[in-house]
Amino acid sequence: AQKVTQAQTEISVVEKEDVTLDCVYETRDTTYYLFWYKQPPSGELVFLIRRNSFDEQNEISGRYSWNFQKSTSSFNFTITASQVVDSAVYFCALSERGGGFKTIFGAGTRLFVKA
Amino acid sequence: GAGVSQSPSNKVTEKGKDVELRCDPISGHTALYWYRQSLGQGLEFLIYFQGNSAPDKSGLPSDRFSAERTGGSVSTLTIQRTQQEDSAVYLCASSPGGGGYGYTFGSGTRLTVV
Repeated sequence: AQKVTQAQTEISVVEKEDVTLDCVYETRDTTYYLFWYKQPPSGELVFLIRRNSFDEQNEISGRYSWNFQKSTSSFNFTITASQVVDSAVYFCALSERGGGFKTIFGAGTRLFVKA
Repeated sequence: GAGVSQSPSNKVTEKGKDVELRCDPISGHTALYWYRQSLGQGLEFLIYFQGNSAPDKSGLPSDRFSAERTGGSVSTLTIQRTQQEDSAVYLCASSPGGGGYGYTFGSGTRLTVV
């Protein structure tokens, strides 16, 4: 069965600090996708990134970067030089072929960035 | 449409009444999903429609919950005989297909059962 664990419930940082959000997943499938979503205080979930199980290359998009490591079943998300606008709940998610590719979400990590 | 549209945005209902929640996905998206998010909690999968395939109903919490998707577009989630524990935000999402695409979410329907 697929499972996503986000052990950090809440993180608080001061603006301009770097912060890493951890995500550990479980799957017995060899074909799967990993995702990160952002839910700002306004409430609407926004898709950030998708990686497939055959591509372990890390990705950088501006201040955001993602580190996918199959050896540790982790898909961590780093925000560099955090800003107040990064304050949100961040969800890691997994969809696997065996589950019909429906997406299961972690419990989320609430990030507070203080000015 | 430009985004996923859900209605109503807020619904207050009395315990025991039935409610219908509507979702209008992005035009051309063949996959549609319903999730539930209780206050301060993560997203709980409810049901998934993909094209003409039989829906994946494995997340529906009880037989009081049902959903349909008409014409491969609009979907309605129905909750019969509502209970207080049904209070939550019900989120709909759609994607271009069922194979691991990122989702576009609607703004949700906040359901309060009193």
